[in-house]
Amino acid sequence: GAVVSQHPSWVICKSGTSVKIECRSLDFQATTMFWYRQFPKQSLMLMATSNEGSKATYEQGVEKDKFLINHASLTLSTLTVTSAHPEDSSFYICSAGPEYLTDTQYFGPGTRLTVL
Amino acid sequence: KQEVTQIPAALSVPEGENLVLNCSFTDSAIYNLQWFRQDPGKGLTSLLLIQSSQREQTSGRLNASLDKSSGRSTLYIAASQPGDSATYLCAVRNFGNEKLTFGTGTRLTIIP
Repeated sequence: GAVVSQHPSWVICKSGTSVKIECRSLDFQATTMFWYRQFPKQSLMLMATSNEGSKATYEQGVEKDKFLINHASLTLSTLTVTSAHPEDSSFYICSAGPEYLTDTQYFGPGTRLTVL
Repeated sequence: KQEVTQIPAALSVPEGENLVLNCSFTDSAIYNLQWFRQDPGKGLTSLLLIQSSQREQTSGRLNASLDKSSGRSTLYIAASQPGDSATYLCAVRNFGNEKLTFGTGTRLTIIP
């Protein structure tokens, strides 16, 4: 299957700093990427839909000024957590797709964010 | 609004047994349904995708079925192995939407 990478895989930062997470589709062009958040032992919660060349669409309750999303190319989307606080600590996962031939969404390995 | 539920939330079975994981959804107007596996602290691995026009898909020891009218899908795992231990998630995509709605997941433990 197609490969989606995320960088970094984990990050620890101080409260008040901003953190950028990258999501790349390595072997197909993704006009749409998705950002999820996952708390321990819970399922994935969709945060936003990222469309190449346009503004992201945020789910209800997600602060767009807090979680900045940029989809600058067909293979790269970034999520910036601005002025991070301990409650933003979570596992962030991106996905790309659906991939044209398989209609499948492919997921990145996730980024563990810990805010001290 | 689509809601997806998975039962049971956790399951432990001895190695070698066959098992079934269940997924139910409230809105039957789905485009497709996808089963994923997630290992602790990792991302999701796509296992099987069933289009709305299909009734089942098979990959190795895995077989997924879809009954759209009753809003159900099952994932059948044959001859379970310890390496199958993981959390299994189903996700539904509705028509006119690329978003996936995820189920609550089933945490599977295969006992050697």
